[in-house]
Amino acid sequence: EAGVTQSPTHLIKTRGQQATLRCSPISGHTSVYWYQQALGLGLQFLLWYDEGEERNRGNFPPRFSGRQFPNYSSELNVNALELEDSALYLCASSLVTGGRTGELFFGEGSRLTVL
Amino acid sequence: GDSVTQMEGPVTLSEEAFLTINCTYTATGYPSLFWYVQYPGEGLQLLLKATKADDKGSNKGFEATYRKETTSFHLEKGSVQVSDSAVYFCALSTYTNAGKSTFGDGTTLTVKP
Repeated sequence: EAGVTQSPTHLIKTRGQQATLRCSPISGHTSVYWYQQALGLGLQFLLWYDEGEERNRGNFPPRFSGRQFPNYSSELNVNALELEDSALYLCASSLVTGGRTGELFFGEGSRLTVL
Repeated sequence: GDSVTQMEGPVTLSEEAFLTINCTYTATGYPSLFWYVQYPGEGLQLLLKATKADDKGSNKGFEATYRKETTSFHLEKGSVQVSDSAVYFCALSTYTNAGKSTFGDGTTLTVKP
């Protein structure tokens, strides 16, 4: 069974540009989560998508956005990139939809570098 | 809001030493508690979990007990191996903030032969 896959593995952008990151969940999982793992800051919750809808978002500005497609894959968009957006972006999926989230299955992440 | 505090690392141990990584939490609801592990170059993976008070999660020789009275979920292993070298994250999730898991900052463990 394929795990959570993310692309690209690495992405280099300059300030002001836009970045798009993609995630495919484990087959059968309908919930997708995005986390930012910046150096020295741990994992910060960004977004939760379930059944195509944004269900919850963390304390990030609106230039962080995304969507979930009918096949449950997801895209994270970061507009007007700033230097501090440089981080590892982790996608996770789970079977549990709503309520108290159970086990998360993580991808290996997309490393975004903003120059 | 919810928060997770882990003991600061890095932690360096010799093979076969006893491991404890402390984790305490604050939560607005009744949380489920998790330990995740991130091996070098890999994504996070679940190590163990507990969903109610006094539950003990265990896996690969690691154990953690959900202590509601002390709001703690300390990770222990009796005899570590070089292959246990990784970053360990304590995490929680609640009904109150649906879909969000709150993670500690991670503790880097290095085991030397």
